[in-house]
Amino acid sequence: EIVLMQSPGTLSLSPGERATLSCRASQSVRSGFLAWYQQKPGQPPRLLIYGASSRATGIPDRFGGSGSGTDFTLTIRRLEPEDFAVYFCQHYGGSPLTFGQGTKVEIK
Amino acid sequence: EVQLVQSGAEVKKPGATVKISCKFSGDTFIGYYMFWVQQAPGKGPQWMGLIDPENGETIYAEKLQGRVTITADTSTDTAYMELSSLRSEDSAVYYCATVRSNSPGGYYYYYYMDVWGKGTTVTVSS
Repeated sequence: EIVLMQSPGTLSLSPGERATLSCRASQSVRSGFLAWYQQKPGQPPRLLIYGASSRATGIPDRFGGSGSGTDFTLTIRRLEPEDFAVYFCQHYGGSPLTFGQGTKVEIK
Repeated sequence: EVQLVQSGAEVKKPGATVKISCKFSGDTFIGYYMFWVQQAPGKGPQWMGLIDPENGETIYAEKLQGRVTITADTSTDTAYMELSSLRSEDSAVYYCATVRSNSPGGYYYYYYMDVWGKGTTVTVSS
């Protein structure tokens, strides 16, 4: 089973700042089969990025994904008020599909 | 636009079985993979399993093997997740999610989850 470790646990930033979230896998993620999701309280996760770097339909271009192998990054170029939420990474290169424990991006 | 509508909240006693439904609409059900995900309060999501409604093939998370059953009814475009031998640790929100089977960036049945239902809260308490 691939274990995904996300860091930091909480990121305190101001609107307009850049957010950099990390997701490290316990073993190499096949062909970059890694996704990122955003979740707000009381809502289901929302797909942001798949294939490590491809934005899902309707996702603003301030969200960017990068990385390969065991190290992946989600970057939010300039935080908007609606971006303050919890972010999860997920690998889907094989069974079991696993998620990280999440990074909370909160308003400083 | 694909939408998933889940059944309502459930309260169950330990040892009981819960069955949650997920009604698919907005496109052809056959042609999508259906996933089920568990999320305990304050925790990250945990994948439970998936089904291909076209052929009924399922893949389950090993840690739930034997307790979870996922089915799909193509006559009503509805997926179901049944979890048996419930314990207090199963208290969580359960989501169904889907992705079109020929979407880019995945392979075999292993994909990201593109569209999600709103979730069904299951409380297990004596």
